[in-house]
Amino acid sequence: IQLTQSPSSLSASLGERVTITCRASQGISSYLAWYQQNPGKGPKLLIYGASTLQSGVPSRFSGSGSGTDFTLTISSLQPEDFATYYCQQLNSFPYTFGQGTKLEIK
Amino acid sequence: VQLVESGGGVVQPGRSLRLSCEGSGFTFSRCGMYWVRQAPGGGLECVTFISFDGKTKYYGDSVKGRFTVSRDDSKNTVYLEMNDLRAEDTAVYYCARDMWKATTGNYFDYWGQGTLVSVSS
Repeated sequence: IQLTQSPSSLSASLGERVTITCRASQGISSYLAWYQQNPGKGPKLLIYGASTLQSGVPSRFSGSGSGTDFTLTISSLQPEDFATYYCQQLNSFPYTFGQGTKLEIK
Repeated sequence: VQLVESGGGVVQPGRSLRLSCEGSGFTFSRCGMYWVRQAPGGGLECVTFISFDGKTKYYGDSVKGRFTVSRDDSKNTVYLEMNDLRAEDTAVYYCARDMWKATTGNYFDYWGQGTLVSVSS
């Protein structure tokens, strides 16, 4: 199953609302997760089951979608949010990832 | 919860290497584990999975027949034995813990910091 994220990079300002999309090549129900990765670190789980917020993750992060189209929204960008974001399908192994979206400060 | 990978390094093509991932802060024997790799400047690739009891193993097509995953619950450690290494296996290798819920399916809830494998002559 292939996942296509868009955009591949994004420049935004503090306090701005941003949305990242992830499209699956076939239906994956709600078996989708979102991760945040900072340079030199392992990924951090943000969202699973397409819309369930992982414990400890700020509520400005939210996820939606099912089937083939999904979105990750950050409601008001904070300095620590500038990182790379990946979606991942967990419908069938191998659990593939999107190519990533790099979020940069404008 | 902490996951610590080790065993990475520089290795020649065709040689072997074994990676380890030690878990702490949770009941290791109850958790499935994954290995995920990330090529330099690249994206993430799920390489292998081993179930909590070691009976179920999955491998990505790119490593099938060359890599073997195993676990030793007495040491809270999962291993990745990598044989016939190729230049395209160069990557940071992460281990991650599997979590499953009936309503949401699987997800990778904790990751290690990674260990770098460089395959070069």
